[in-house]
Amino acid sequence: GAVVSQHPSRVICKSGTSVKIECRSLDFQATTMFWYRQFPKQSLMLMATSNEGSKATYEQGVEKDKFLINHASLTLSTLTVTSAHPEDSSFYICSAYTGGDADTQYFGPGTRLTVL
Amino acid sequence: GQNIDQPTEMTATEGAIVQINCTYQTSGFNGLFWYQQHAGEAPTFLSYNVLDGLEEKGRFSSFLSRSKGYSYLLLKELQMKDSASYLCAPMDSNYQLIWGAGTKLIIKP
Repeated sequence: GAVVSQHPSRVICKSGTSVKIECRSLDFQATTMFWYRQFPKQSLMLMATSNEGSKATYEQGVEKDKFLINHASLTLSTLTVTSAHPEDSSFYICSAYTGGDADTQYFGPGTRLTVL
Repeated sequence: GQNIDQPTEMTATEGAIVQINCTYQTSGFNGLFWYQQHAGEAPTFLSYNVLDGLEEKGRFSSFLSRSKGYSYLLLKELQMKDSASYLCAPMDSNYQLIWGAGTKLIIKP
């Protein structure tokens, strides 16, 4: 089946620094990628929808200047957490959407961000 | 390697009971999640099992056997709104989620 990877899998950073998380679809082209945030034992919270070659669409309450999303190609989307704060510590998950007849969303393994 | 196996599709009748099985192989284990996902929406958290046994939450129950690498989600008193995909996702030793392909559950009147 389709595989989506995320890098890094785990990152620890200091407050005020920026962290970039990559999401790659390894064996298919993803017209759309989604970025989620998960808090312990809670549902995935959709942060933004990323379409290749266009600006991301952010969900209400998500700061677009803080969570920068770039979808430069059909296989890569990046999420940059700028000026990270401890409250940004979370589990970030991306998914890639095949669209068309396949119409399936494949999830990445997640990135655990800890901001000290 | 790491692997998740769950049925691609299941059909059940409104008011009935359905069990969705999931077998997994992971490098280490830090619990297993079940999510429900309706088309076009984000997955909704249903359950998290880290110890063996059955956990009941209303109409939904989830069972885990770590020694067998096996879990199931049991849905009772099925309603039409339960038609959705159900995702099994164990977490490995690095706290990475290993996603199954999901089971599409179709509820018929």
